[in-house]
Amino acid sequence: DAGVIQSPRHEVTEMGQEVTLRCKPISGHDYLFWYRQTMMRGLELLIYFNNNVPIDDSGMPEDRFSAKMPNASFSTLKIQPSEPRDSAVYFCASSLLPMLSGANVLTFGAGSRLTVL
Amino acid sequence: AQKITQTQPGMFVQEKEAVTLDCTYDTSDQSYGLFWYKQPSSGEMIFLIYQGSYDEQNATEGRYSLNFQKARKSANLVISASQLGDSAMYFCAMRAYNFNKFYFGSGTKLNVKP
Repeated sequence: DAGVIQSPRHEVTEMGQEVTLRCKPISGHDYLFWYRQTMMRGLELLIYFNNNVPIDDSGMPEDRFSAKMPNASFSTLKIQPSEPRDSAVYFCASSLLPMLSGANVLTFGAGSRLTVL
Repeated sequence: AQKITQTQPGMFVQEKEAVTLDCTYDTSDQSYGLFWYKQPSSGEMIFLIYQGSYDEQNATEGRYSLNFQKARKSANLVISASQLGDSAMYFCAMRAYNFNKFYFGSGTKLNVKP
């Protein structure tokens, strides 16, 4: 398996523009997570899906952020309009849950580094 | 609520020596898993080692071992024979069985000196 695939790897945009980040989870993983990483706040869970259904979006900062998972192999995280404080690395991760084991870990994508000017 | 604490923002270790990275956790659940991840400067998150709360033996994976002390709620990562390539951020994480969220600590930046 190619692992979790994220695109774009780097995005530089201007304040007010729409940003769309994409993720393809590992085939067969039925849980998908979006995390944001910043120096100040560390790794924050934004939202997670189970079988394409959003389960917990309590970490989504505000209405400017939205996430979708139209099918088992694709998810998007959208920011509209973007602001400089959204600059961060956004990780997508997938997993086989809920059993606890060394096989059911979070597998991360390479991340999308977003810079909002 | 689940909480992970890593009290060492940064550490130095001499190449070929062993190093222990601290992690304490707080949970009221009896069944949970503990994870360690490595994040090199390139940015990716790499899974290193897992310990289940009911595992009787400490987990080991190559040069990585987990010093699990359940009563003290600690899950320290031990890296033996440090290598220059071990220089990275290390994150401790936890998931309780009844919850699908993984909680991460703030990380420890390890620098291996030649």
